[in-house]
Amino acid sequence: EAGVVQSPRYKIIEKKQPVAFWCNPISGHNTLYWYRQNLGQGPELLIRYENEEAVDDSQLPKDRFSAERLKGVDSTLKIQPAELGDSAVYLCASSLGAANTEAFFGQGTRLTVV
Amino acid sequence: KNEVEQSPQNLTAQEGEFITINCSYSVGISALHWLQQHPGGGIVSLFMLSSGKKKHGRLIATINIQEKHSSLHITASHPRDSAVYICAPRRAAGNKLTFGGGTRVLVKP
Repeated sequence: EAGVVQSPRYKIIEKKQPVAFWCNPISGHNTLYWYRQNLGQGPELLIRYENEEAVDDSQLPKDRFSAERLKGVDSTLKIQPAELGDSAVYLCASSLGAANTEAFFGQGTRLTVV
Repeated sequence: KNEVEQSPQNLTAQEGEFITINCSYSVGISALHWLQQHPGGGIVSLFMLSSGKKKHGRLIATINIQEKHSSLHITASHPRDSAVYICAPRRAAGNKLTFGGGTRVLVKP
């Protein structure tokens, strides 16, 4: 079975342009996470979904970032407009949802804003 | 103070050496993950443990819940073990993963 699938793998855009990332979690996984990882640092949570509900979006910069998880399966993360400081790797992860279940990560999308 | 502290931040070893990475955390947790990230690659989950010790090949992970401490050991290290290793405790409240800053491991042939 495929793991967590993210696309695109790489994206280069000019500042002020919009960008969107897509994530397909492992089938049956209720919990979906979006993380941002800056170079040399650990991932930081942006938003966590339980099914289609965003249960933790306290770290999401809501002025320019938005996310959705329609039907509780695939998810998209959007930045509009992008800024130079948004350059990072955006990681999606999923888990079954219970407290002691393993999280599986996608390959990430490396965003470069120029 | 960060919730999760890893040490060392960087580690260079010769092939065959025994490697230990340490992780200390300050919150109550339900489980702890050890993750591996290769340059340009995604994150691979190595272990999820909530007590005691787990072993997978040359990798061993231990956790002491009372002391809020976990270690990842690599025995007979190999250049392909070169990666960033990340400790990620899962908070007992809220089902939230928190992450250490990672330990960059370089194993030289």
